[in-house]
Amino acid sequence: QQQVKQSPQSLIVQKGGISIINCAYENTAFDYFPWYQQFPGKGPALLIAIRPDVSEKKEGRFTISFNKSAKQFSLHIMDSQPGDSATYFCAAKGSGGYQKVTFGTGTKLQVIP
Amino acid sequence: NAGVTQTPKFQVLKTGQSMTLQCAQDMNHEYMSWYRQDPGMGLRLIHYSVGAGITDQGEVPNGYNVSRSTTEDFPLRLLSAAPSQTSVYFCASSGQARSYNEQFFGPGTRLTVL
Repeated sequence: QQQVKQSPQSLIVQKGGISIINCAYENTAFDYFPWYQQFPGKGPALLIAIRPDVSEKKEGRFTISFNKSAKQFSLHIMDSQPGDSATYFCAAKGSGGYQKVTFGTGTKLQVIP
Repeated sequence: NAGVTQTPKFQVLKTGQSMTLQCAQDMNHEYMSWYRQDPGMGLRLIHYSVGAGITDQGEVPNGYNVSRSTTEDFPLRLLSAAPSQTSVYFCASSGQARSYNEQFFGPGTRLTVL
């Protein structure tokens, strides 16, 4: 059962453009929504995360927008650079102790010069 | 501080062979997890541990065993390898002290079963 749906599967953006990746979740018990960045041959690494008590979080060129009523959240990469080319995973988990992380299926981003 | 380490980086097995994927962390994290990553399917949880001596099944546990005798180590054993277990395997750790238990991933083991 896929509880976090991610789109698009792949994305090509020109340098300087905006990359947008969308995710939707079903489980209302989720209350932490991280995004992971994975370069080829490497493990995923936490990029940015948001809790549902805020609608937006920005860190540098990366912004998460969160819509609790629609159960959707998205990653925006402003001024996309070739170095941003990677696979991005959205994820969701609950709070308290160990909570299983549910991952989206990933978006392969390619930023072309 | 090496973080999460995994060995081997690559492995080729024949159907029916067994092997152990090693995972170690030096951050004194309580929680450790094993995931497999397949194209178009994201990361799926195989097994996890909330402390030494305590393990539990994740989403796709069949064909895998784990144990956790120390805080640092969390090996994953393939009992009788099958082609369906061809995948990239990631170990991750997280600690209670960090808000929302941020997970740190190892570099992965790419396994091919012929």
